[in-house]
Order: sequence, then structure tokens, then C-alpha cells
Amino acid sequence: DQQVKQNSPSLSVQEGRISILNCDYTNSMFDYFLWYKKYPAEGPTFLISISSIKDKNEDGRFTVFLNKSAKHLSLHIVPSQPGDSAVYFCASKIGNQFYFGTGTSLTVIP
Amino acid sequence: GAVVSQHPSWVICKSGTSVKIECRSLDFQATTMFWYRQFPKQSLMLMATSNEGSKATYEQGVEKDKFLINHASLTLSTLTVTSAHPEDSSFYICSATGTLTDTQYFGPGTRLTVL
Repeated sequence: DQQVKQNSPSLSVQEGRISILNCDYTNSMFDYFLWYKKYPAEGPTFLISISSIKDKNEDGRFTVFLNKSAKHLSLHIVPSQPGDSAVYFCASKIGNQFYFGTGTSLTVIP
Repeated sequence: GAVVSQHPSWVICKSGTSVKIECRSLDFQATTMFWYRQFPKQSLMLMATSNEGSKATYEQGVEKDKFLINHASLTLSTLTVTSAHPEDSSFYICSATGTLTDTQYFGPGTRLTVL
């Protein structure tokens, strides 16, 4: 049973525009949410996170929004750059257990 | 952020041999380490979770006798692929989390090619 879902396997965005990556989860007990970026043949790199007590966290070009009532998480990248092209994984945490989505491949077109 | 290293980054071995992959947390104490496997164009597949000083917990379908995991210290976990076969060829990634962080930090991955 997939507790964390990324329903869009891929996304293409023009350079300079906003990229919005979405993630849905089913377990209301998750207390921490994370986004990772992954290039081919490399391990995922931590990007940004948010606690369940917040609804927004911003770090430079990256903002994560959490809508607990909808059990929905999103990552906004503004402005998008070609170097942002990668696979993005969302993850949810409860206790010491992490649940990952299947990833969204973002392509930023120059 | 915290740094996790893996060694080797790429290993090629003959079928039937065993291969050991090391995962180290360089600047924090990793109370829990995770081992993942990634096939081409697929998402991460969690293989096992290990807590320092105790036996690893394997995910369903992962052979614990084939994928031996040892987490002997707060900075080192090892994955040994025993009697490797070509179907074990994959990209193996470790990650770690500690008591002072809610974040899981990943290593750079190890590419295993079994001939």
C-alpha cells in the first residue's frame, strides 16, 4: 500500500517559470515531510523539509507547502533553472520510518 | 547538511563472489541506517533498516541471507551481497538518520555490476 504518492511521473517547465511538484499522503500521523532531488547515478540530495505543525517553509528558490486537511504536499521552485532538471522525491516520516513517493522527473527547458 | 559516504562507488565482480559496500556517516552519529536499491528508471526500493548494535529489519521479499547488513557502530554500516549473480547488478544507496535530525541523508550510491 503506497502511503505516499506522486501522481505525476514527469513535468516539463520553461526556464524562469515556476515548477510545482505535488505529493499526496494517506497517513495523518506523519509528522515530518521532506523533498529530495536526485540526479542519475547519484544518491538523493536533501532539499527542504517541513514539520506537520507548519504549512509553509521557504529556502531560497524552494518553498514547500503542506495542506494537512487535504493530506497534500507541494514543492515550488521559482524561478526554475536548467540545473533543476532531476527526479524529485517526496517523503513522509513517522517515528523513525520514512515513506517515499515514486518520484517526479522534472525537465527545465532552456 | 550532514554527509554520508559510500565505498566503493563502483564495483565489478564475477558471479558467485561476495561484495561488501560500506556506508559511513562522516559528521554525525547515525543511529539508524537504511539500504536502498534502485533499478534503472525506477524509484528507490527500501531493502532494510538497521539500528546501531541490533539486527537489521528486512523488507518483505529481501533475502536476509543474501544481503547481509551490519551496523556495528554509530558511523558505519555495511551491506554484503553474498554469492552475487548478474540479477543483483543494481545501484545500491545507503542513508542515515540520527537522534539530532529528522532528516534522512543519503550516500552517493554504489553501482554493482556482476558479470
